Amino acid sequence: AQSVTQLGSHVSVSEGALVLLRCNYSSSVPPYLFWYVQYPNQGLQLLLKYTSAATLVKGINGFEAEFKKSETSFHLTKPSAHMSDAAEYFCAVSQNTGFQKLVFGTGTRLLVSP
Amino acid sequence: DTAVSQTPKYLVTQMGNDKSIKCEQNLGHDTMYWYKQDSKKFLKIMFSYNNKELIINETVPNRFSPKSPDKAHLNLHINSLELGDSAVYFCASSQFRSANEKLFFGSGTQLSVL
Repeated sequence: AQSVTQLGSHVSVSEGALVLLRCNYSSSVPPYLFWYVQYPNQGLQLLLKYTSAATLVKGINGFEAEFKKSETSFHLTKPSAHMSDAAEYFCAVSQNTGFQKLVFGTGTRLLVSP
Repeated sequence: DTAVSQTPKYLVTQMGNDKSIKCEQNLGHDTMYWYKQDSKKFLKIMFSYNNKELIINETVPNRFSPKSPDKAHLNLHINSLELGDSAVYFCASSQFRSANEKLFFGSGTQLSVL
């Protein structure tokens, strides 16, 4: 069975600081990996996804993530946080065969202070 | 125009009642989903339909019955509501059913069972 673990239910940064949100996955087959963002009272939006092409994936709003098979990780980073980045971030995995069936982590709330 | 729209946005009801949540997508997608987000923000897939055919059913109690009258609609009917059904229910769609597809989410229906 596949799963993802997101370390830290809350991460606080200052505006302009580096954002690092951690995600580790478990999968018996090569995975597809995703980061979604949820703003208050909204549905989730895709930030970026890894589908076995380049290991460094660039997404929207200046976010990127690197797939590291040896560490079973897919951490999300952004060089400089903006107030508008405050939201809930979800890492998710799906296996690369069959239907789309995302398995989500428990989410990390990003807090950005001025 | 909203890509994936759900109604109602809020639903407050008594235990034992029957209720429905409607979902429509205007993206021309083939596949639609229902996800449940509990009070701890954990998201779990419930159902997936592809071209009106049920392709994923994740051990959801049979009190929950999805119905897809056409590719653009996926409704969720819940019989005999229980306290534990209180959650936010998200509808989503994707262009195809394969595992690397991006999901487009609605803004959610917050169900409160009293």
